[in-house]
Amino acid sequence: KAGVTQTPRYLIKTRGQQVTLSCSPISGHRSVSWYQQTPGQGLQFLFEYFSETQRNKGNFPGRFSGRQFSNSRSEMNVSTLELGDSALYLCASRDERGAMNTEAFFGQGTRLTVV
Amino acid sequence: AQSVTQLGSHVSVSEGALVLLRCNYSSSVPPYLFWYVQYPNQGLQLLLKYTSAATLVKGINGFEAEFKKSETSFHLTKPSAHMSDAAEYFCAVTSYSSASKIIFGSGTRLSIRP
Repeated sequence: KAGVTQTPRYLIKTRGQQVTLSCSPISGHRSVSWYQQTPGQGLQFLFEYFSETQRNKGNFPGRFSGRQFSNSRSEMNVSTLELGDSALYLCASRDERGAMNTEAFFGQGTRLTVV
Repeated sequence: AQSVTQLGSHVSVSEGALVLLRCNYSSSVPPYLFWYVQYPNQGLQLLLKYTSAATLVKGINGFEAEFKKSETSFHLTKPSAHMSDAAEYFCAVTSYSSASKIIFGSGTRLSIRP
């Protein structure tokens, strides 16, 4: 079974631009979450999508948005990029079939550098 | 609200020595607790999880952790360190009602001395 796939692995963007990151979850997983990892703030929850609906949201500005498609693939968009958006963006998928299936499986991340 | 505190941002041990990474949690509801490992430029890999079953949890690569409710702790141990264990380790907490929103600790970087 293929793991969580994130594309691209690396991105360099200029301040003010926008960027879209993609995440394909493990087959059968309908929950997809996004996290931002920076040296200063650590790992922070951005949002979660389930069955094409945003189900949970962290404390990030509206420049950060996402969506989920009917095949559970998810995209995350950041508009008007700032230098502080430079980070490793991690996607995680979960299988909610069964009460004990609680762990999240993470992709390798997309390293975004804003210059 | 839930939170996790990892004591020690950097731990260094000799190869073959005991590894002990400390984690304390705060949760107003029964917690689910996890340890994840991250190698450079990689994502997070689950080492082990506690979900209210056995309090001593065994994970991959010889790691284990013990849930102690009275101490609100979930420390990670490994009897004998290996060079390949050098990585960043994250303790994390969530709950049944908010399983998708994982709260992570700040991480502990583990170095192994030859």
